[in-house]
Amino acid sequence: DTAVSQTPKYLVTQMGNDKSIKCEQNLGHDTMYWYKQDSKKFLKIMFSYNNKELIINETVPNRFSPKSPDKAHLNLHINSLELGDSAVYFCASSPKGGGPNYGYTFGSGTRLTVV
Amino acid sequence: AQSVTQLGSHVSVSEGALVLLRCNYSSSVPPYLFWYVQYPNQGLQLLLKYTSAATLVKGINGFEAEFKKSETSFHLTKPSAHMSDAAEYFCAAGMDTGRRALTFGSGTRLQVQP
Repeated sequence: DTAVSQTPKYLVTQMGNDKSIKCEQNLGHDTMYWYKQDSKKFLKIMFSYNNKELIINETVPNRFSPKSPDKAHLNLHINSLELGDSAVYFCASSPKGGGPNYGYTFGSGTRLTVV
Repeated sequence: AQSVTQLGSHVSVSEGALVLLRCNYSSSVPPYLFWYVQYPNQGLQLLLKYTSAATLVKGINGFEAEFKKSETSFHLTKPSAHMSDAAEYFCAAGMDTGRRALTFGSGTRLQVQP
């Protein structure tokens, strides 16, 4: 049983396209996150949702729009893709309101390549 | 703002040698601290975490880390490296107040030579 699953695993697309990445967790956690890992492996928080409510929204271009239909799902839609959006996007989840003492469970990542 | 610094983007050890990966945090209040491991083309897996109980924390795969408040450090060690330990290691910190999201260090790639 996969705890945090992301689809697709790989995504290659042309500049200007719109794409979505989906994330689902079956751990019963109430908080979910999107992190971006750049080519130097640096991980940066993008968004966080707690029980479908947006609680963290970092300085991210508004071409990126997260959506959480329920607490088990968090999707990321990206409009007008640019070369600089190429990265690995990780979804993660945590229990109990996202209290950091519990740590996160990560998905296996979506490698986005914009050409 | 809180930050996490990992000294050494690459560390190379021989199989059987001691592994030491360094992590320092900047925070006036000791945060919760974590070490994650990332194998190639995989997600991050939790190795261990410090949550103010014991200062010496044991994790999976023989790794342990010691929280030292005076040095604001949380270095990761393993007495004897194995080839399968080759991976990227990330230190992370989180606080209960303010922005409740983990802040990650820049990662250290561990190479294990036969």
